[in-house]
Amino acid sequence: DTGVSQDPRHKITKRGQNVTFRCDPISEHNRLYWYRQTLGQGPEFLTYFQNEAQLEKSRLLSDRFSAERPKGSFSTLEIQRTEQGDSAMYLCASSLRILDTQYFGPGTRLTVL
Amino acid sequence: AQTVTQSQPEMSVQEAETVTLSCTYDTSESNYYLFWYKQPPSRQMILVIRQEAYKQQNATENRFSVNFQKAAKSFSLKISDSQLGDTAMYFCAFCGTMSGGGADGLTFGKGTHLIIQP
Repeated sequence: DTGVSQDPRHKITKRGQNVTFRCDPISEHNRLYWYRQTLGQGPEFLTYFQNEAQLEKSRLLSDRFSAERPKGSFSTLEIQRTEQGDSAMYLCASSLRILDTQYFGPGTRLTVL
Repeated sequence: AQTVTQSQPEMSVQEAETVTLSCTYDTSESNYYLFWYKQPPSRQMILVIRQEAYKQQNATENRFSVNFQKAAKSFSLKISDSQLGDTAMYFCAFCGTMSGGGADGLTFGKGTHLIIQP
């Protein structure tokens, strides 16, 4: 399978804990995106990378959210001090170049108790 | 900021019928891209069709076609000969070309839940 993969698929945590999600894009794709999807809504753009450079941070929901893509391959999204409002599906997507079709992963469903 | 509006939260049609999903958007940009994505139950989102705003010809992909009305800022999706496997959430999405920093993050509507009845 050469599609976008995400790990874990499901995460249950207690309020106040830190969580980290991983995304592995399609291997030759330079651009990687993170989105959040809450129940009944469309995905909301959070941030993106061109290779290892994070070029858009202003859409991250708060300073508790951070993302990295250290070697321009996989990426991680970390949420510190989780809150119940962080419960959502976190989607990753990748594309070959700017404005190309974005291919989505299956998502990580986060539940904060 | 761009906005995307899907006014039909849910639609239900019989198998083999034709169905049209509505989408309107608001932008001040003159060049942009529009997309329809499909999200089947518990499965990942996949692209159905895309349209470049500078192209006057409406995009088609097999049973899927769009009616792009740039002046009206309307982008509807028509599904012909609907099949049970078309049951899914359908999201309309916008991507501008003028965003600062080269950001091409998509702006999505709230989605339309399409149910194909046997």
